[in-house]
Amino acid sequence: EDQVTQSPEALRLQEGESSSLNCSYTVSGLRGLFWYRQDPGKGPEFLFTLYSAGEEKEKERLKATLTKKESFLHITAPKPEDSATYLCAVQAESGGYNKLIFGAGTRLAVHP
Amino acid sequence: DSGVTQTPKHLITATGQRVTLRCSPRSGDLSVYWYQQSLDQGLQFLIQYYNGEERAKGNILERFSAQQFPDLHSELNLSSLELGDSALYFCASSARTGGGPYGYTFGSGTRLTVV
Repeated sequence: EDQVTQSPEALRLQEGESSSLNCSYTVSGLRGLFWYRQDPGKGPEFLFTLYSAGEEKEKERLKATLTKKESFLHITAPKPEDSATYLCAVQAESGGYNKLIFGAGTRLAVHP
Repeated sequence: DSGVTQTPKHLITATGQRVTLRCSPRSGDLSVYWYQQSLDQGLQFLIQYYNGEERAKGNILERFSAQQFPDLHSELNLSSLELGDSALYFCASSARTGGGPYGYTFGSGTRLTVV
């Protein structure tokens, strides 16, 4: 069964304290992996797309990496405005068409 | 603005009532997806439409139904509402089934409160 698992469920960091969020997946045929940011009460916003193992994408303090079984979202020197829930989603083929499977998310809180 | 429009933004209604949530997808997108997100919970996939036809169903209750119209907007109908139906309901769209280079584009959601 296709599955996406994110860890940790919640993470508390001090401003400037770098860390990583994990997204592990088991799918029959990975078409792409997506990272989203969701602020409370708002819709998820697209961050990155990764397609193949070894690929990396960067945006400001965030860097996403991909291996054959997992993806990491590295946060370098985070600021309080980075506080949000980060969602991982995997695009997989099922029943002849593609679909996105979302993880439960990691709630990140960055304190000054 | 993501280009996906959801109305209303907030809805308060009583138990047993019926409500309709509306979604206009991003221009050019043929697929529409509905998700439910309860407090501090993940996104629960409800249903997907592609160009007017139902394409996939998730954990959608029998009290809930949806449709996509010829102009591609979609409506999610929730009936016999219960307190536990209180949640954020998100609509997302993509050009093709399963998402494009950005996955899905999400709207800002409708917050439903059942009292």
